Amino acid sequence: GAGVSQSPSNKVTEKGKDVELRCDPISGHTALYWYRQSLGQGLEFLIYFQGNSAPDKSGLPSDRFSAERTGGSVSTLTIQRTQQEDSAVYLCASSLAGTSGSGDEQFFGPGTRLTVL
Amino acid sequence: LAKTTQPISMDSYEGQEVNITCSHNNIATNDYITWYQQFPSQGPRFIIQGYKTKVTNEVASLFIPADRKSSTLSLPRVSLSDTAVYYCLVGSLNDMRFGAGTRLTVKP
Repeated sequence: GAGVSQSPSNKVTEKGKDVELRCDPISGHTALYWYRQSLGQGLEFLIYFQGNSAPDKSGLPSDRFSAERTGGSVSTLTIQRTQQEDSAVYLCASSLAGTSGSGDEQFFGPGTRLTVL
Repeated sequence: LAKTTQPISMDSYEGQEVNITCSHNNIATNDYITWYQQFPSQGPRFIIQGYKTKVTNEVASLFIPADRKSSTLSLPRVSLSDTAVYYCLVGSLNDMRFGAGTRLTVKP
């Protein structure tokens, strides 16, 4: 695809329900990131994938949060038993993971706005 | 990971040059310095990246002193549309984290 896509764009759920957020990275990008951004705040790192593996899960705020990536492409972020404090915009980014030695440019999707009532 | 420190907010006027400085005292030898821009309701987008000295592209310049413990993003002749949050990131390959950013407000 032309860019990173995320679905749904908006999700309203009730407290205690599970939600699944999807990210389609740019084709060929091996690195994938999930971030969370609360209203008016900076980005909070959640997790990053290199291929299908997640070498760094340190940003996941609790064990209610999990993420997977299959086939080195699509990733899903699952939040179980959602709480009101989970309300935020969840952003996904992908990068080429080049071998030039320079830092990779991250390309961001439009985000999923999650509202927990 | 190298931690970054930026001013929380800055104000400027149209046509002025804006310089935003980021501190990263424990930057590692392999780390690059990257700046992103974020408009409301959008994901961040890449502005510029550098390793040392000066880098310039069509939208900004990045100044990095010899010790690399800080960097300065320079936006020439800002316009109202440059009002956004600017993030400084330090890291290498796929190991970059976003800080709180600097909220730049450009006034007419």
